[in-house]
This record gives sequence, C-alpha cells and structure tokens, in this order.
Amino acid sequence: AQSVTQLDSQVPVFEEAPVELRCNYSSSVSVYLFWYVQYPNQGLQLLLKYLSGSTLVKGINGFEAEFNKSQTSFHLRKPSVHISDTAEYFCAVSDPGGYQKVTFGTGTKLQVIP
Amino acid sequence: DAMVIQNPRYQVTQFGKPVTLSCSQTLNHNVMYWYQQKSSQAPKLLFHYYDKDFNNEADTPDNFQSRRPNTSFCFLDIRSPGLGDAAMYLCATSRERGRETQYFGPGTRLLVL
Repeated sequence: AQSVTQLDSQVPVFEEAPVELRCNYSSSVSVYLFWYVQYPNQGLQLLLKYLSGSTLVKGINGFEAEFNKSQTSFHLRKPSVHISDTAEYFCAVSDPGGYQKVTFGTGTKLQVIP
Repeated sequence: DAMVIQNPRYQVTQFGKPVTLSCSQTLNHNVMYWYQQKSSQAPKLLFHYYDKDFNNEADTPDNFQSRRPNTSFCFLDIRSPGLGDAAMYLCATSRERGRETQYFGPGTRLLVL
C-alpha cells in the first residue's frame, strides 16, 4: 500500500527567504506525485505534479519540486517566499495501478514571517 | 467561475439528526470524490463515483452514504451524525482517476451539537 510522510508539521520562515517542504513516499510501484496547497477556509488547489519524464517539476506561484526515486522523495521548494504563501501544503501519491487512489500526507503549515 | 460548489459552507446539526451535504460541478468530470478532513490531518477519502459506479473505501463507516443523481451533482448523507463526525467535508472532481488533477470545492464545515 502506498503512503506519504510529511515530517514537518509546521515550518516558519522569514519573508523573502527560501523554503523546502519535505515529502517522502512509500510505494512498491512507480508513482504519480502531487503537491496541493490549502489556504485558510478553502479547498485544496494543485501546485504541481510529477507523472513521468523530467524529475524537476515547476508549478504555480514560483514553486518547484524534485522527484528523487532513489530517496523516494518529492520535496517542494521556493527560492523566496511571500506573505501570501502562508498556507498548508499537502503532498500526495497515486499509483498507476488499481483504481489509482490518491493518498494525502498530513500536511505542512508554512508560516511566512514578515 | 466557480467550478466545484459546495453547499452549505457551514452546517450545524444535532447528534443523531440526518444531514445532507451537496456538491455540484461545472467541469463535466467523470469522477467525484468525498473527503473528510479533521484538524491537522490529511484529507481522508470516504468514497468516490466514477461516472455512476460507486466506490466505497473499506474503512468508511456505514453511517456515511452518497448519491450521484447526474454528472453534475453529488450528495453526502450522514444518517446519524455523532460528535466524532464533526469535520470539514471536501468534494473534489477529476476528469479521470490517478494522474489527473483533482479540483476541490471550498468545503462544508460540519458541527455536531
């Protein structure tokens, strides 16, 4: 069974500083990987996804993530954060087989400090 | 512009009193999902519809039911809400399963008194 681990429940960072949100997955097969963002009192919105091909994936709002198969990781990065990036970020995994259920991690709250 | 709409945004019900949450979509997607999200937890998939085909998660309590009368609408029925069912309920849609992006509604926050 697939699973996702987000080790950091909260990450405080100063405005304009870089940030990395960590995600590790467990799956016995090849996977699809996603990052979603959830702003307060809103639903989730896709930031980026890895399906195949280039391991560096660029998303919206200046975010990018790198798929590392040997380390089973899919960390999210942004070189310079803004106040508006304050939100909760969810990593998710889906395997191509079966009915392709998407499993979400427990989320990381990014708090950008002015 | 709204693509996935959930009504109401906030719902208060009494312990044991049936409640229905609704979701509609303008994307004409095949798949509709219902997730339960409690504070500081991952969204938990309750079930999904692939077209008219209902797929229940093994650990979803029988207290939770769903209906999809047509492509656009999907309902979540909680037959006898307990205090532990207080949560945010998220509806999502996708064109297909797996690799496709899921589009989420804003959620309905359910309070059980």
